Amino acid sequence: NAGVTQTPKFRVLKTGQSMTLLCAQDMNHEYMYWYRQDPGMGLRLIHYSVGEGTTAKGEVPDGYNVSRLKKQNFLLGLESAAPSQTSVYFCASSYSNPSGLAGGDTQYFGPGTRLTVL
Amino acid sequence: RKEVEQDPGPFNVPEGATVAFNCTYSNSASQSFFWYRQDCRKEPKLLMSVYSSGNEDGRFTAQLNRASQYISLLIRDSKLSDSATYLCVVDPMNTGFQKLVFGTGTRLLVSP
Repeated sequence: NAGVTQTPKFRVLKTGQSMTLLCAQDMNHEYMYWYRQDPGMGLRLIHYSVGEGTTAKGEVPDGYNVSRLKKQNFLLGLESAAPSQTSVYFCASSYSNPSGLAGGDTQYFGPGTRLTVL
Repeated sequence: RKEVEQDPGPFNVPEGATVAFNCTYSNSASQSFFWYRQDCRKEPKLLMSVYSSGNEDGRFTAQLNRASQYISLLIRDSKLSDSATYLCVVDPMNTGFQKLVFGTGTRLLVSP
């Protein structure tokens, strides 16, 4: 099992450019999440998905869009990048019903994408 | 007041020492609590869940104090490999869906 993978690992954008971050998981998890992590701040939830075809806003959704066309993939889009979006982006996934599952209440994270917007 | 607060540290301890971290949370209705570990420039990984009765995993002990709204992590016989940032994590909604709130982390440095 590869677990949770993210592409790309690094990216530098100019202000106004767009890009898509891809997250894939092979654990058959129902739930998937996108977080950003900035110095001095905890991980903050951008968007999440409770299943294929459904998405919802998290704590800091402005400037981002997401799609979950397939259960295993969760895409994060930046339509017009801004310097304030310079961050490390983590994708995570988890089971929908952790009860009774070993490790069922665990969120599994991908290795992260380091994005710089100039 | 932040939902989850931690002392950022760093805590500098020698190998073999015992070290403890506390974390406070603001939502008294929170039901699920976790400690995650994050190595430098890596992803967070679950260290342990924190149950009402407390729990122990080898050298690591986690406890919950609902009256004072804090959770703690105790590390005994520290190893060099324990050097990392420890994230206190709370699920304030207990909806079954994990809309977790992460603390900013406590950095631990274990020296020879």
